[in-house]
Amino acid sequence: KNQVEQSPQSLIILEGKNCTLQCNYTVSPFSNLRWYKQDTGRGPVSLTIMTFSENTKSNGRYTATLDADTKQSSLHITASQLSDSASYICVVSTKGGSQGNLIFGKGTKLSVKP
Amino acid sequence: DTAVSQTPKYLVTQMGNDKSIKCEQNLGHDTMYWYKQDSKKFLKIMFSYNNKELIINETVPNRFSPKSPDKAHLNLHINSLELGDSAVYFCASSQLRRGLDEQYFGPGTRLTVT
Repeated sequence: KNQVEQSPQSLIILEGKNCTLQCNYTVSPFSNLRWYKQDTGRGPVSLTIMTFSENTKSNGRYTATLDADTKQSSLHITASQLSDSASYICVVSTKGGSQGNLIFGKGTKLSVKP
Repeated sequence: DTAVSQTPKYLVTQMGNDKSIKCEQNLGHDTMYWYKQDSKKFLKIMFSYNNKELIINETVPNRFSPKSPDKAHLNLHINSLELGDSAVYFCASSQLRRGLDEQYFGPGTRLTVT
């Protein structure tokens, strides 16, 4: 069964600290893995998309890693800011392109405190 | 300039009613989607449309029907609303580029069925 599991479910950190969110998946065949940020009351916003051949991708203070062998991904946030408070969703696609079957994780809720 | 817009933002209605949610994208994308996010914040894809053709239809009740008058619009019609339909519905769009499609989400429509 195709599944995407994220941990932790929620996380509280102090402003300025780093943190790492985890995503494990059992999706086959694998096409790509995405990380989204969803602010409260807003739609998700894409942070990174990684294919099988990519093992790291950065977007500002966000760095995603992918280990296709162990089927694990992580999202590292550096020097956290209050605006990083949001839910982070890991999504795995089983096919390439817009006809892909997207499997969503349940998200990690991050709270950054001053 | 809103890329993906939805109306209304909030919708409160009674069981048994029929309602529609509208979605428009001005990005020139060729694929549009509807997602449902339940109270546990779990996102699930419902439909996608590519060039007016339904290409993904998850196991949603046939009370839900997407309608696309043109490439820039994908409306969601819901008949005989039920309490369990209460959720936030997100529209999204994407365009396949170099084998990948980055999805842009709308702000969501919070549907409450009483």
